Amino acid sequence: GNSVTQMEGPVTLSEEAFLTINCTYTATGYPSLFWYVQYPGEGLQLLLKATKADDKGSNKGFEATYRKETTSFHLEKGSVQVSDSAVYFCALSDLTDSWGKLQFGAGTQVVVTP
Amino acid sequence: DTAVSQTPKYLVTQMGNDKSIKCEQNLGHDTMYWYKQDSKKFLKIMFSYNNKELIINETVPNRFSPKSPDKAHLNLHINSLELGDSAVYFCASSATQETQYFGPGTRLLVL
Repeated sequence: GNSVTQMEGPVTLSEEAFLTINCTYTATGYPSLFWYVQYPGEGLQLLLKATKADDKGSNKGFEATYRKETTSFHLEKGSVQVSDSAVYFCALSDLTDSWGKLQFGAGTQVVVTP
Repeated sequence: DTAVSQTPKYLVTQMGNDKSIKCEQNLGHDTMYWYKQDSKKFLKIMFSYNNKELIINETVPNRFSPKSPDKAHLNLHINSLELGDSAVYFCASSATQETQYFGPGTRLLVL
């Protein structure tokens, strides 16, 4: 079956530091990959996505590249802000399986200190 | 404009009670979902409807019954609530097999 593994948190870093959150996946088909973000007390927001190999998704200074050879979709940001403190979820959706239901990783909490 | 809305936002109730959570989307999507987020933030799909037809039904106790009166609404009714049902329940919607957009969540606490 499909699955997503992402690095455990919490990840604590100072403002302006470089952020990487690792995400790897297993899938039998050709999944689309997503990063969702959950700010404290809120719902999930789509941060970025990539639908095929070598695609790069980007938004709000965050980037992730769909790497089929390493089955990875690592999230990066060059200079984080306190407002980036949130839980980040990597997810996949395999359109050949079950109407594209989202399979989530366990989430990584990021804490950015001033 | 609210895209995916849920009511109530918070729900505190006693064990054994029956409760409902409502979800509405104004995005014109034809697929809606219910997800459960446990205390460790782990998210898992429960149900999905496409054009009012049930298409995903994960291993969920029979006490949970979804209902979709029309494409814009997907409600979740829970019978005989148990302590383990305490969680955050998220509704989401999408165009068929496209990106999903989530509601703000309903925080359920069973005492």
